[in-house]
Amino acid sequence: GQQLNQSPQSMFIQEGEDVSMNCTSSSIFNTWLWYKQDPGEGPVLLIALYKAGELTSNGRLTAQFGITRKDSFLNISASIPSDVGIYFCAGQLSSNTGKLIFGQGTTLQVKP
Amino acid sequence: DAGVTQSPTHLIKTRGQQVTLRCSPISGHKSVSWYQQVLGQGPQFIFQYYEKEERGRGNFPDRFSARQFPNYSSELNVNALLLGDSALYLCASSLEGPYGYTFGSGTRLTVV
Repeated sequence: GQQLNQSPQSMFIQEGEDVSMNCTSSSIFNTWLWYKQDPGEGPVLLIALYKAGELTSNGRLTAQFGITRKDSFLNISASIPSDVGIYFCAGQLSSNTGKLIFGQGTTLQVKP
Repeated sequence: DAGVTQSPTHLIKTRGQQVTLRCSPISGHKSVSWYQQVLGQGPQFIFQYYEKEERGRGNFPDRFSARQFPNYSSELNVNALLLGDSALYLCASSLEGPYGYTFGSGTRLTVV
């Protein structure tokens, strides 16, 4: 199936470090979403971006909607152990179809 | 407030059998989408329903079908199960418009 290119695939960092991950696509999206998924749970929405160039923060998380509308990044500052999990980007072409295209995920591990 | 609820949480079926998965959206959400998440990958879009009508369909065979009821709950049916149908099936609901989707915890389907 169609997927976004998300990188890195995995990260193993020290507590307190900053983290950056990104998603790229050959298609233009009207909405970019970032989700976090814990084992055995569904994805939880972290940040939603609706306009090209938009920069949005949610606590220690910051995400940007790329100007070309084909990419987005997520930064996590001062990581803590509970940041461990799998982070997914998702792009949406149209709000009418409800179809989200997901990246392959970035697995984040934080060493205390 | 109750989030998106899915039932059952776990299910084991035999090849060739049929399965029905259920989803109750967040109160006030009229849009329901279904996703399949195979281990190690991002979710793949199956269907979206809004006001009981199909709004979008992903690249899945006709063995997959869904419907939405007047109370906006939804069912996903899969016929003639294959081993490759083993996955986490996620339901997401949203308000109409460009809003992020809230996911349930999913149904873990194992086909043996």
